[in-house]
Amino acid sequence: DTEVTQTPKHLVMGMTNKKSLKCEQHMGHRAMYWYKQKAKKPPELMFVYSYEKLSINESVPSRFSPECPNSSLLNLHLHALQPEDSALYLCASSQDLRAGGPQNEQFFGPGTRLTVL
Amino acid sequence: KNQVEQSPQSLIILEGKNCTLQCNYTVSPFSNLRWYKQDTGRGPVSLTIMTFSENTKSNGRYTATLDADTKQSSLHITASQLSDSASYICVVSAIPNFGNEKLTFGTGTRLTIIP
Repeated sequence: DTEVTQTPKHLVMGMTNKKSLKCEQHMGHRAMYWYKQKAKKPPELMFVYSYEKLSINESVPSRFSPECPNSSLLNLHLHALQPEDSALYLCASSQDLRAGGPQNEQFFGPGTRLTVL
Repeated sequence: KNQVEQSPQSLIILEGKNCTLQCNYTVSPFSNLRWYKQDTGRGPVSLTIMTFSENTKSNGRYTATLDADTKQSSLHITASQLSDSASYICVVSAIPNFGNEKLTFGTGTRLTIIP
């Protein structure tokens, strides 16, 4: 299985709502990533988990809260978002953050299209 | 500052024609360079990964080249198909001493194939 799955595909939420994005992989990867992508822009890294521990937080506002319950799952909890947070949220995984190089190729999921009203 | 620049920003070609996309980078210390294809509203899909010692790598109708001296890469698409319409993103990896791998993304080339 070389697939990263993300749910839901689409999400519309109000600024007072609490919602969660989910990501799952069964490739035995120990690094998982959250990216945010605005239209016609490249993905921007938000968070990186390595061996289920938060390794990188790219100064993301606290209204985004990541969670890695186990090595296969990655969640992104959303609360009190702003309309400018509307974007495509991509999850990715790779073999091992510490390895680097081609063996650390990132596999991306299809993304969740988030709209904040 | 690490940067990846791609050209052209957008490209329209007829089905069946070839095209070449360019990527220039200033990333240090260089580890590898990747080309991704991203369909609208979907996640990027890896096409090729090249390390410092590799000059060319093919994946079907896609052929990537790398000149590590001039810090340039190209992606050549042969006999284009309608399904090739997508954004193509060049991503350069750096692995600093005692640090984790860091990816720098280009802004992409939007390719449109017309029948």
